Amino acid sequence: DAGITQSPRYKITETGRQVTLMCHQTWSHSYMFWYRQDLGHGLRLIYYSAAADITDKGEVPDGYVVSRSKTENFPLTLESATRSQTSVYFCASSESGAYGYTFGSGTRLTVV
Amino acid sequence: QQQVKQSPQSLIVQKGGISIINCAYENTAFDYFPWYQQFPGKGPALLIAIRPDVSEKKEGRFTISFNKSAKQFSLHIMDSQPGDSATYFCAATPSYNTDKLIFGTGTRLQVFP
Repeated sequence: DAGITQSPRYKITETGRQVTLMCHQTWSHSYMFWYRQDLGHGLRLIYYSAAADITDKGEVPDGYVVSRSKTENFPLTLESATRSQTSVYFCASSESGAYGYTFGSGTRLTVV
Repeated sequence: QQQVKQSPQSLIVQKGGISIINCAYENTAFDYFPWYQQFPGKGPALLIAIRPDVSEKKEGRFTISFNKSAKQFSLHIMDSQPGDSATYFCAATPSYNTDKLIFGTGTRLQVFP
């Protein structure tokens, strides 16, 4: 199916565990983004990528790692999960930077 | 540091009324101002956008007003409907980096019949 898909949809993990959230898009968009959504903070940019093998930090990158070996995939890894990383994570892609994001359906992550 | 400030946090409107959500930006020059609409359990979706060289843009019942000198922009939803009940985010692209969007904190709109 064409589009942008995130997996898993829901995830519960323990403090200190490593967890990876997956994002896959089928449009061959150059740009991909990871945001987290928290009440009172809106959407905050974690990392983004302008092309394969190019990544840049956003507003809140600490505790997260990304990679982009293929254009269509942009996984987000929490190296050692903390309770403050409990959030809803959204992946987005676009053909031209900020102009016209398409978001995935999100991953709700709970760190206990 | 939140560079895009959005208000109100929540809004309740009667069906048929006008919903108004305001955003203001600071510290930085911005180049592009989109609004996103998010329904529960879904990702945000682009609703309407404006560039700073125009003061108003209308698409159906949705209008963006932009005041460059005041560094403010707002979303007006005319004839609000229960189906418009959603969370709305304003956003802006900094001129120094048009690769990314900076979002406001969101407004939860509820439209009652």
